[in-house]
Amino acid sequence: GAVVSQHPSWVICKSGTSVKIECRSLDFQATTMFWYRQFPKQSLMLMATSNEGSKATYEQGVEKDKFLINHASLTLSTLTVTSAHPEDSSFYICSADRVEYSAFFGQGTRLTVV
Amino acid sequence: AQTVTQSQPEMSVQEAETVTLSCTYDTSESDYYLFWYKQPPSRQMILVIRQEAYKQQNATENRFSVNFQKAAKSFSLKISDSQLGDAAMYFCAYKFDGNKLVFGAGTILRVKS
Repeated sequence: GAVVSQHPSWVICKSGTSVKIECRSLDFQATTMFWYRQFPKQSLMLMATSNEGSKATYEQGVEKDKFLINHASLTLSTLTVTSAHPEDSSFYICSADRVEYSAFFGQGTRLTVV
Repeated sequence: AQTVTQSQPEMSVQEAETVTLSCTYDTSESDYYLFWYKQPPSRQMILVIRQEAYKQQNATENRFSVNFQKAAKSFSLKISDSQLGDAAMYFCAYKFDGNKLVFGAGTILRVKS
């Protein structure tokens, strides 16, 4: 069964609004979670590393004020896309390492901004 | 910086036959982890197989096996007895210690019936 759960699976929002995506580790504690963005038929692009109890580490070129990450507990990280615009439409995926550095991924969230 | 290269954008295989997906990587580290992930049309990333660099024995998971050549920095995936459900995008990935995964560009595998 799934070990990392991501919600929602898909969301449509109006331009200018904010959207929150949740990533939960179901049966283990994850001090670190990762957030990716993926365009069709392309590889995963790491956006940021989410650290429990501290600030997230963002990759170069990722706007930290637009993509807010909160890792409030050992089983939950959230990604909030603020003031969303159509160019933010994409597929967002989270992951967490379970054992021996094997990453397990959430189901992904398809975001469409209209 | 570590890099992962998948030189085959697309591959095709006949059902029940064998196919090999290529992956090379670049690193100066001696102890690291390598993975193959499968992403079917549902886009759920699924771990297929993993290899610890300190282990000489090639990892095997049922119909999936790897050919790990550490000196050549090569990590290919062999899928035996291919099934229609194997059709997906396959990503090779590298990880050192607790750091982030580095992904290759991916290979689309098509399975013909």
